[in-house]
Amino acid sequence: EIVLTQSPGTLSLSPGERATLSCRASQSVSSSYLAWYQQKPGQAPRLLIYGASSRATGIPDRFSGSGSGTDFTLTISRLEPEDFAVYYCQQYGSSPETFGPGTKVDIK
Amino acid sequence: QVQLVQSGAEVKKPGASVKVSCKASGYTFTSYGISWVRQAPGQGLEWMGWISAYNGNTNYAQKLQGRVTMTTDTSTSTAYMELRSLRSDDTAVYYCARDGEDTGYRYAWYFDLWGRGTLVTVSS
Repeated sequence: EIVLTQSPGTLSLSPGERATLSCRASQSVSSSYLAWYQQKPGQAPRLLIYGASSRATGIPDRFSGSGSGTDFTLTISRLEPEDFAVYYCQQYGSSPETFGPGTKVDIK
Repeated sequence: QVQLVQSGAEVKKPGASVKVSCKASGYTFTSYGISWVRQAPGQGLEWMGWISAYNGNTNYAQKLQGRVTMTTDTSTSTAYMELRSLRSDDTAVYYCARDGEDTGYRYAWYFDLWGRGTLVTVSS
């Protein structure tokens, strides 16, 4: 199965700053089938990005995804207070789908 | 509105079984598969398996084969996940999630709708 690694483990930033999160796969993710989720404490994950770069319904355009092959990036252009959370990447290019360990974005 | 509503928290003893329900509303239940994903306390997300709401086909994660059974009741638009021979490391929040469009055959996909989760605690 494909193993996903996310970096950094924790990102400490201030509101208004830009966040860049990385997700690396142990082998190429076919068709750029990579998704990103946001999870806040006590809540279920929420789909942000699918297909590496397509925003899910209702997701603000400050969230953007990019990448292909084994290297993917989630960028939050200007952090809002509600964006401080844990972010997971997930590949669905091959079964079983797998998740990365997450990156926590917290307030500096 | 479009939602998945899960059953309430459970406390079980080691060796027991648990059955979690997930009721769908706001969309055609048989048009999408349902996956189950769990999250141990303070840990990441683990895909457990998938069921076709269209024809009942299932596909389980290898590590859970033999202990997990997923079923659906199309008359009530409800999916179920039963986990047997519970151990302490099965303590987790269990989520149901809407999978891709249902062809009756398994393919990996992303999850665009999630239930709020069901905490299952396994403790003696």
